[in-house]
Amino acid sequence: EPEVTQTPSHQVTQMGQEVILRCVPISNHLYFYWYRQILGQKVEFLVSFYNNEISEKSEIFDDQFSVERPDGSNFTLKIRSTKLEDSAMYFCASSDPGQGRNQPQHFGDGTRLSIL
Amino acid sequence: GESVGLHLPTLSVQEGDNSIINCAYSNSASDYFIWYKQESGKGPQFIIDIRSNMDKRQGQRVTVLLNKTVKHLSLQIAATQPGDSAVYFCAENEWAAGNKLTFGGGTRVLVKP
Repeated sequence: EPEVTQTPSHQVTQMGQEVILRCVPISNHLYFYWYRQILGQKVEFLVSFYNNEISEKSEIFDDQFSVERPDGSNFTLKIRSTKLEDSAMYFCASSDPGQGRNQPQHFGDGTRLSIL
Repeated sequence: GESVGLHLPTLSVQEGDNSIINCAYSNSASDYFIWYKQESGKGPQFIIDIRSNMDKRQGQRVTVLLNKTVKHLSLQIAATQPGDSAVYFCAENEWAAGNKLTFGGGTRVLVKP
């Protein structure tokens, strides 16, 4: 069964450094997403991406965050200058709008980001 | 603000019994709901979904019930197995507002042998 893959599984970074989290969505999907989950808290939406542009973003997704689809398979989340509060699990997800509205989002296993 | 919440943080169930996990939502405009299962160290795994024009949907050993009158969603797991031990999240979407999912806080299900 096709799946979303994320790398690395764990990223440790010094505060203030840039970090790039990588995702390979399911190949025929066209919508891509990033969510995060701070330890012990709910999964929170960050951003959605479609047709090479951001379609919506949350208040969390400020100017320090950016997303990119550099080629036909990868989808990345960049945090320019990391803060301690960025420490969380970051999940990538994708969905297929080709089957109509309301399609399930399929998640990867996440990248644990630890900011020191 | 709008939110999705869960009544029970932990559910302990005997192997072979049925499990019921509940979820309350407050956005009456939500029209799509998903249940996810999350095992330790893994991402949310899709279990079953339901659209607001339905009140019941069945899958393999799972049933989702939607009561729009009281804005309540439940997941029933039949003959619970040890492999069902995980955290379960409900998530909602209001299609007109975009594709983002709003997640509930999660319920941990512990299956006792």
